[in-house]
Amino acid sequence: QSVLTQPPSVSGAPGQRVTIPCAGSSSNIGAGYDVHWYQQLPGTAPKLLVYSYINRPSGVSDRFSGSKSGTSASLAITGLQAEDEADYYCQSYDSSLGGFWVFGGGTKLTVL
Amino acid sequence: QLQLQESGPGLVKPSETLSLTCSVSGGSISSRSYYWGWIRQPPGKGLEWIGTMYYSGSTYYNPSLKSRVTMSVDTSKNQFSLRLTSVTAADTAVYYCARLGCSTACYFYYYYYMDVWGKGTTVTVSS
Repeated sequence: QSVLTQPPSVSGAPGQRVTIPCAGSSSNIGAGYDVHWYQQLPGTAPKLLVYSYINRPSGVSDRFSGSKSGTSASLAITGLQAEDEADYYCQSYDSSLGGFWVFGGGTKLTVL
Repeated sequence: QLQLQESGPGLVKPSETLSLTCSVSGGSISSRSYYWGWIRQPPGKGLEWIGTMYYSGSTYYNPSLKSRVTMSVDTSKNQFSLRLTSVTAADTAVYYCARLGCSTACYFYYYYYMDVWGKGTTVTVSS
């Protein structure tokens, strides 16, 4: 069980907006460590989607946006498209146990 | 364009050592701007960070794997490697290598994130 908590699944209809939360604690997000998001399409390697909470790498659609609130972060996807159906992972750093990079458990997005 | 390619045995026997190599092309593993890492994903499960290293040899390991993991770098071959000892069926997974970059506060290693990934290699632990 990860120290970053994500819902196992979310869903939405094409064109809708969905959000994926990532809940942390005082030893990771609350300690000031950045949160990054990855998209993993079926059968492929993860891909960086958002870094340092709000930034998108070149080529990533502006339909994807990140935010932070206290000890949590969220990924929002607007104008949902069938091609967005994938697993999404948040990632940060945790200072406990000597420190380690950590991923959330992942959220499966289903486009209805 | 940077590319990463994992290689190694697809089948390892229980109690033996898993050894994988990540070959880096389109960039230098000796760049001072990046770290390098390994991440794995058991079948049907989420991502698990294994370790991160710098070209100079500094390493950081997952506390739950630390006693069994060793990462190393070969700058002459532009490769870095993973060794995981005493494997069990629980180590069966797709293993990814990745480059870690950063955008701000890059003097702190913990601000680095996985910005380029390899395609992954499947390792099965079975007799």
